[in-house]
Amino acid sequence: GQQLNQSPQSMFIQEGEDVSMNCTSSSIFNTWLWYKQDPGEGPVLLIALYKAGELTSNGRLTAQFGITRKDSFLNISASIPSDVGIYFCAGAGGTSYGKLTFGQGTILTVHP
Amino acid sequence: NAGVTQTPKFQVLKTGQSMTLQCAQDMNHNSMYWYRQDPGMGLRLIYYSASEGTTDKGEVPNGYNVSRLNKREFSLRLESAAPSQTSVYFCASSKGTGATYEQYFGPGTRLTVT
Repeated sequence: GQQLNQSPQSMFIQEGEDVSMNCTSSSIFNTWLWYKQDPGEGPVLLIALYKAGELTSNGRLTAQFGITRKDSFLNISASIPSDVGIYFCAGAGGTSYGKLTFGQGTILTVHP
Repeated sequence: NAGVTQTPKFQVLKTGQSMTLQCAQDMNHNSMYWYRQDPGMGLRLIYYSASEGTTDKGEVPNGYNVSRLNKREFSLRLESAAPSQTSVYFCASSKGTGATYEQYFGPGTRLTVT
């Protein structure tokens, strides 16, 4: 089946720092989604990307759909304590119409 | 608008017991999904329902059954619980039409099987 590799697995940063994480796939995707999961909650959709090369922002978050359609990147600028959580990438399209394949997640810890 | 709701929030079962996890959405979505989340494994699809009246297996369907009761409700049943089914279970829904893949998740059910 399709596999997504998300990195890094975890990050420990100081408040105010910028954060970058990425997802790579062995397969082409038509859609990339980024979710955030707070402790004890369900994942919440942050950004959806539908076009190769697309760059989309949501506040301090910016995500990009890679040109090869096999990768995506998420950047968080000027991190704050409430950015703590697990960030998941998810890909869809190709042979998996309607279904998402999720990365393993990046655990973000922000030190005040 | 409650979005996606799940019951119960927590459950402890003994090996061999059965239970049904309930999920409902009020967004008039066509497609619904059940995932399990285990540490370091991300979210894995158990079953999904592309539209009312249809269900299909996902990545890890063994030991589970589902019912799409109507457009709003999608339940997950464990007939004979095993310790390997200890996990957090999430229900999600999406429009399921066109090229829309955005899924919206419920708060989860934390299940422990002893």
